[in-house]
Amino acid sequence: GENVEQHPSTLSVQEGDSAVIKCTYSDSASNYFPWYKQELGKGPQLIIDIRSNVGEKKDQRIAVTLNKTAKHFSLHITETQPEDSAVYFCAASTMGAQKLVFGQGTRLTINP
Amino acid sequence: DAGITQSPRHKVTETGTPVTLRCHQTENHRYMYWYRQDPGHGLRLIHYSYGVKDTDKGEVSDGYSVSRSKTEDFLLTLESATSSQTSVYFCAISDRDGNYGYTFGSGTRLTVV
Repeated sequence: GENVEQHPSTLSVQEGDSAVIKCTYSDSASNYFPWYKQELGKGPQLIIDIRSNVGEKKDQRIAVTLNKTAKHFSLHITETQPEDSAVYFCAASTMGAQKLVFGQGTRLTINP
Repeated sequence: DAGITQSPRHKVTETGTPVTLRCHQTENHRYMYWYRQDPGHGLRLIHYSYGVKDTDKGEVSDGYSVSRSKTEDFLLTLESATSSQTSVYFCAISDRDGNYGYTFGSGTRLTVV
């Protein structure tokens, strides 16, 4: 079955700098790659997703890139702000798989 | 959280006792999921449902059972709680399976002593 590896497990950046979180997946048939943000004491929330027919997707300060050949995808956050501090999860899914497989999570801390 | 409620939010129970967690949705979504979250392991799937009375196991299903008698409710039961089941449990819903986004509940923090 699908396996998703996420790095790094913790990331600390200065406010205003960029942050990058990377994930690799094992199943070449995977075609859907969402990213979730989990704030303290809350459930994860979908922040951006990408499908395999697209190489990059942007939404204001966040972007996701996908390299299907290498089987990895990344989350990019620019101009980081204190409210970006959270745990971020990547995930992958295959058409018809009925479920997402999640990475281990990255705790992002934005230092003022 | 977009029409999904988990109860209780916190629970402390003793080893060996049965425990039931409830997930209730008002979105009429077909798919419902139970995940557990543990440090270093991310979110791991316990069980999921793709319709009333239709359920399947996830990667960490041992010691857990589920039931879905109505579209809106998905119950997770720990048949005999163990300390290794101390975790935060999240329910998620989706209207079109895992190839589309989930909406998560706020979680249940379970402590087994």
